Amino acid sequence: GQSLEQPSEVTAVEGAIVQINCTYQTSGFYGLSWYQQHDGGAPTFLSYNGLDGLEETGRFSSFLSRSDSYGYLLLQELQMKDSASYFCAVSFSGNTGKLIFGQGTTLQVKP
Amino acid sequence: EAQVTQNPRYLITVTGKKLTVTCSQNMNHEYMSWYRQDPGLGLRQIYYSMNVEVTDKGDVPEGYKVSRKEKRNFPLILESPSPNQTSLYFCASSLERLAGQSNEQFFGPGTRLTVL
Repeated sequence: GQSLEQPSEVTAVEGAIVQINCTYQTSGFYGLSWYQQHDGGAPTFLSYNGLDGLEETGRFSSFLSRSDSYGYLLLQELQMKDSASYFCAVSFSGNTGKLIFGQGTTLQVKP
Repeated sequence: EAQVTQNPRYLITVTGKKLTVTCSQNMNHEYMSWYRQDPGLGLRQIYYSMNVEVTDKGDVPEGYKVSRKEKRNFPLILESPSPNQTSLYFCASSLERLAGQSNEQFFGPGTRLTVL
């Protein structure tokens, strides 16, 4: 079956750097997205990797290695407001809108 | 303002009483999707629609129906709700996916449904 794995919780201090990993076992992989969700609110899009390598958007970066079925989200200069849940999501090739999300990683940023 | 709206935001109902959760987007997006979110299970896709009159099942379609008669609306219908459908529901939309493009989805605020 299709599956994604993320750590359930990560804790870091303000100003630090944290990496949230996502490994996937899927067939027909197309791309990997990352979303942020605060306290049951609407998820918001952070980043997308369709090709191997690093994508940088401000303090957030995302990496993909297709050969390793692995990606990560890197958050730099952590701020208290970064405390949230982070989800990776796989989209699939072909004419399909199917999307599978990981179970999410809760990031707690401490002062 | 570009947005995805859902109604109602909160609903408590009883087993077997048909209900509809509406979803509307004003961004002229081709793609729309419904998800449910339960503690520890992340977001699970219920149904999605690639365009008007084109819908397809996600991972957890049992007990749900959808329709896409017009581009902006994508209602979720529970014909006979059961307690295991108690959940937080999100609607989302995005532009048609093109090769190499991100499929950034815009999510609605969520509908918290309780079925007694």
